Amino acid sequence: QVQLQESGPGLVKPSQTLSLTCTVSGGSISSGNYYWSWLRQPAGKRLEWIGHMYTSGTTIYNPSLESRVTMSRDPSKNQLSLTVSSVTAADTAVYFCAREGIQLRSGYYYYYMDVWGKGTTVTVSS
Amino acid sequence: IVLTQSPGTLSLSPGERATLSCRASQSFGTNYLNWYQQKPGQAPSLLIYGASNRATGVPDRFSGSGSGTDFTLTISRLEPEDFAVYYCQQYGRSPRWTFGQGTKVEIK
Repeated sequence: QVQLQESGPGLVKPSQTLSLTCTVSGGSISSGNYYWSWLRQPAGKRLEWIGHMYTSGTTIYNPSLESRVTMSRDPSKNQLSLTVSSVTAADTAVYFCAREGIQLRSGYYYYYMDVWGKGTTVTVSS
Repeated sequence: IVLTQSPGTLSLSPGERATLSCRASQSFGTNYLNWYQQKPGQAPSLLIYGASNRATGVPDRFSGSGSGTDFTLTISRLEPEDFAVYYCQQYGRSPRWTFGQGTKVEIK
């Protein structure tokens, strides 16, 4: 059973860089037909997709965050990483990592987020 | 594409039927619309994918329907554990994923 666990500093100062890690167990981030996503959710607000990485290492980011976001991975540790630079209070949120499943059925592709981490809270404050 | 969910809050009693709406600003394929349930302090959990397919382990009181720009999540008879926030999600070009603002189903 695949499990995801986010980790990182709970508090980051404005203008600094936020760095988070997602540790995956029960499955490899480098194999299978999956994307691995980062998302965030400010308190009381809707979820926002940050970006994702395919098992090949290819990344796609949300254009609204692309200039400040980098995703990377360490296959030897089966970990994904997210950095967000020049943070402000608007980056305060619960950050999640999630696995995206892909299914081909009757000629149609289906995409969905079927496994999620529990999330980690990040507060941007001096 | 912008997803707008309604109502914002649904106040119902256990055993009642819940009907949640998700309306998109542009039409897209039904295979790209998903529904999630989120309970306080937890991550979202996949309920429905491809507009009408229940995810593994999801009770059959949950059903999804719709096409084009209008999609619906129905809970036929609310159980105590169903009171939560529900989000629709769309897979698109750019950004790849967008979410609705959520509908909270609360106990009346």
